[in-house]
Amino acid sequence: AAGVIQSPRHLIKEKRETATLKCYPIPRHDTVYWYQQGPGQDPQFLISFYEKMQSDKGSIPDRFSAQQFSDYHSELNMSSLELGDSALYFCASSLSFFGGAADTQYFGPGTRLTVL
Amino acid sequence: KQEVTQIPAALSVPEGENLVLNCSFTDSAIYNLQWFRQDPGKGLTSLLLIQSSQREQTSGRLNASLDKSSGRSTLYIAASQPGDSATYLCAANSGYALNFGKGTSLLVTP
Repeated sequence: AAGVIQSPRHLIKEKRETATLKCYPIPRHDTVYWYQQGPGQDPQFLISFYEKMQSDKGSIPDRFSAQQFSDYHSELNMSSLELGDSALYFCASSLSFFGGAADTQYFGPGTRLTVL
Repeated sequence: KQEVTQIPAALSVPEGENLVLNCSFTDSAIYNLQWFRQDPGKGLTSLLLIQSSQREQTSGRLNASLDKSSGRSTLYIAASQPGDSATYLCAANSGYALNFGKGTSLLVTP
């Protein structure tokens, strides 16, 4: 079965550089979520999109922005990178949040970002 | 804000034992609760999802229960195997975001 695809899988950047992470959800899934997992930490919710509109926002820094495109893939843009941004970034997808019944979130393999 | 706690933080058992992992959450207004497995440096594999209207879900040797009123969930693993060694995370869904616990690190020794 098709899974969530994330690219790149590994990324190394210098401080103050920018990075773009991409996420391709499972076919027919219309909701995308981004999470950040620091070393030894639990995943923290950043932001989500439903039908190309932002649906919820968590602890996402102002230096980060994201969007969902017409083909439902999503991109997380990160600017002015800091050492503390080094983490594993997960994308997840699910079917629509409808009638209060949320469906399973399926996670991609993650992008490991290292900021030097 | 939803707070999720997992006990114990780490657990070591000999192969073949049955074990229980505990998860508690502070806000009972959840849509569902999801259990994940994570191997070191790897992604999150969804194990079981329990909707708020359900009491339990089973998949193979795994059984997860949910008591929404008391804010508790348990993951029962039967006849543990060395391949079960991983970190197990529970996550409560109160809307779009999943709120994760810090996980239980499980080691099953041969």
